[in-house]
Amino acid sequence: EVQLVESGGGLVQPGGSLRLSCAASGFAFSSYTMNWVRQAPGKGLEWISYITSSSSTIYYVDSVKGRFTISRDNAKNSVYLQMNSLRAEDTAVYFCARRGTGTAYGMDAWGQGTTVTVSS
Amino acid sequence: DIQMTQSPSSVSTSVGDRVTITCRASQDIGSWLVWYQQKPGGAPKLLIYRASSLQSGVPPRFSGSGSGTDFTLTISSLQPEDLASYYCQQANSFPYTFGQGTKVEMK
Repeated sequence: EVQLVESGGGLVQPGGSLRLSCAASGFAFSSYTMNWVRQAPGKGLEWISYITSSSSTIYYVDSVKGRFTISRDNAKNSVYLQMNSLRAEDTAVYFCARRGTGTAYGMDAWGQGTTVTVSS
Repeated sequence: DIQMTQSPSSVSTSVGDRVTITCRASQDIGSWLVWYQQKPGGAPKLLIYRASSLQSGVPPRFSGSGSGTDFTLTISSLQPEDLASYYCQQANSFPYTFGQGTKVEMK
């Protein structure tokens, strides 16, 4: 069974840092491109970052460029999101999601999400 | 960035009804359009990819159509388990962008 489990969320003050982790199981993680997507309370989905299987290609949405860093460790079947200089508007549930193969870049597996709250 | 605009933002409907949700892209995205379903408190679920291809395991009452800038998600006969929010997403170019969502509610 394909599983993605996020962790590392919590309450952090503005300007602080958090590192999110997403542990994958049930599939050949090292062959898949991964994404992070977030959802602010009561709002829609926002794609924020993408990393290919070998980490050779990485993209970010403009609002997190220079503050967030995506990375992965294929030996540990995990993808990470280092979040620095956090702002109130970063408050959201953060999902990791797998880009499917044969799904025209659709994200075909998602974790349950981890909640990040940025507040003083 | 490509802007994705969904309509309506919400729809009140009944079991057995046909439901249509539209999604418009601010520029031509070919068929690089994905639809997701999200139930309250849950993660999104892939329904349709490449505008009209049904993801494995998704009931055939869901269908997608369109290309270029205008796309449609149709639920042919709404079931109680279809009450959820639906999002379109363009996968043509980065940054990937989502529509604002459509909430399907019971009348």
